[in-house]
Amino acid sequence: EDKVVQSPLSLVVHEGDTVTLNCSYEVTNFRSLLWYKQEKKAPTFLFMLTSSGIEKKSGRLSSILDKKELFSILNITATQTGDSAVYLCAAAMGGAQKLVFGQGTRLTINP
Amino acid sequence: KAGVTQTPRYLIKTRGQQVTLSCSPISGHRSVSWYQQTPGQGLQFLFEYFSETQRNKGNFPGRFSGRQFSNSRSEMNVSTLELGDSALYLCASSALRQGNVPGNTIYFGEGSWLTVV
Repeated sequence: EDKVVQSPLSLVVHEGDTVTLNCSYEVTNFRSLLWYKQEKKAPTFLFMLTSSGIEKKSGRLSSILDKKELFSILNITATQTGDSAVYLCAAAMGGAQKLVFGQGTRLTINP
Repeated sequence: KAGVTQTPRYLIKTRGQQVTLSCSPISGHRSVSWYQQTPGQGLQFLFEYFSETQRNKGNFPGRFSGRQFSNSRSEMNVSTLELGDSALYLCASSALRQGNVPGNTIYFGEGSWLTVV
C-alpha cells in the first residue's frame, strides 16, 4: 500500500527557532516529492524534489530528498509567526497526477 | 495568469441530495485531479482527468464521479450524500511534459467546502 508518513504531527516553537520537518514515503513508481504549505485554504506549492542530495532553497526554507532511504526533510530557519501552518508532504507517482499525501505537520510559531 | 478556480466555494446540502462541483484549471493545463480533505483522513486522491478521460481513480465509492470537458474544465459529482462526505474538495492542475506526462508542479485551487447536514 502506498503511504507517506510525516513527523512530528505537531510542533510548537518560538519565533527565531529553526525547525526540521520529516517525511518518509513508500510508493510504487515514485516520481517526485512535493512540499506544500496550507493555511486554512488551498495548499501552496513550496518545493518539488526529484533527485537525491540536491538541496532546494527558497529564502529561509530548504528541502532535500534521499531516494535511497526514502525520506525528505523541510528546514525552516529563523522562523516567523507567518510560518505557522500545516506543512504537507506528497509523493507523486509514475506518469499520473496522483499525489499520496502525508498527514501533515502542524507548525505553530509563538512570538 | 489566473490560478485554479473552483466553484462554489461553500455549500450546504442535506443527506441524500447530490452535489456538483466545478473546477477551471490554469490556462494551458490539461491534467486535472480532485482530492478530498477531511480532518480524520487528510488529503485523499479522488480521480484524475486528461483529455476528457479518467486516467486514475482513488479508493472512493461509485457515488463519487467526475468528468472533464474539451476545454479542460472539470466537474465532480457526489450522489446520495452522506454526513461523512462533509469535506474540503480540492482541484489541482498541472501542465504536461513530453509524452503527456503531468508536470511535476501541481497547483491547487481554493477548494469547495461542502457541509452535509
